[in-house]
Amino acid sequence: EAGVTQSPRYAVLQEGQAVSFWCDPISGHDTLYWYQQPRDQGPQLLVYFRDEAVIDNSQLPSDRFSAVRPKGTNSTLKIQSAKQGDTATYLCASRRDSYAEQFFGPGTRLTVL
Amino acid sequence: AQSVTQPDARVTVSEGASLQLRCKYSYSGTPYLFWYVQYPRQGLQLLLKYYSGDPVVQGVNGFEAEFIKSNSSFHLRKASVHWSDSAVYFCAASGYGNEKITFGAGTKLTIKP
Repeated sequence: EAGVTQSPRYAVLQEGQAVSFWCDPISGHDTLYWYQQPRDQGPQLLVYFRDEAVIDNSQLPSDRFSAVRPKGTNSTLKIQSAKQGDTATYLCASRRDSYAEQFFGPGTRLTVL
Repeated sequence: AQSVTQPDARVTVSEGASLQLRCKYSYSGTPYLFWYVQYPRQGLQLLLKYYSGDPVVQGVNGFEAEFIKSNSSFHLRKASVHWSDSAVYFCAASGYGNEKITFGAGTKLTIKP
């Protein structure tokens, strides 16, 4: 069984540029999570989906961040106008159903100059 | 508010020595508890989890953790560490149904020869 895959693995931007991150969850996993992990900190939930529906996006900076999962499979997280404070690793995770564990992808390391 | 605290940002132990990484949680009710490990430039991998029952849970690679409700703690232990155990370890907790996980800040473990 293939794991959670993410691309790109690294991104370097200037402030004000846009960037998109892509996540392919494990096949059959209905719930998908996006986390932000600043350097030397634990992951912090940004948004999560069950199938194509957003369940909780309360921690997503809505003015610049957006996330979609249109067919309930792959997902894209977009930062419209990046800031230096967005420098972090962005992790995607998925799980099969309630009570199941989350499986994490390798992450995308973003540096905003 | 729900929170997970890992009081030790860095721990160094000698190879072959025993290990304890500390974790305290603040959660309403009895949470689900987890320990994850993160190797450089990789995603998080689940070491072990506690949902209910025997308070001592066994994980992969000889790790175990003990849930002590009276102390709100879930410390991770290993009897004899190996150099390959060098990594960052995260304690985490979630509510009933395991929908959203709250992570601690992590403990960076260094094994010295």
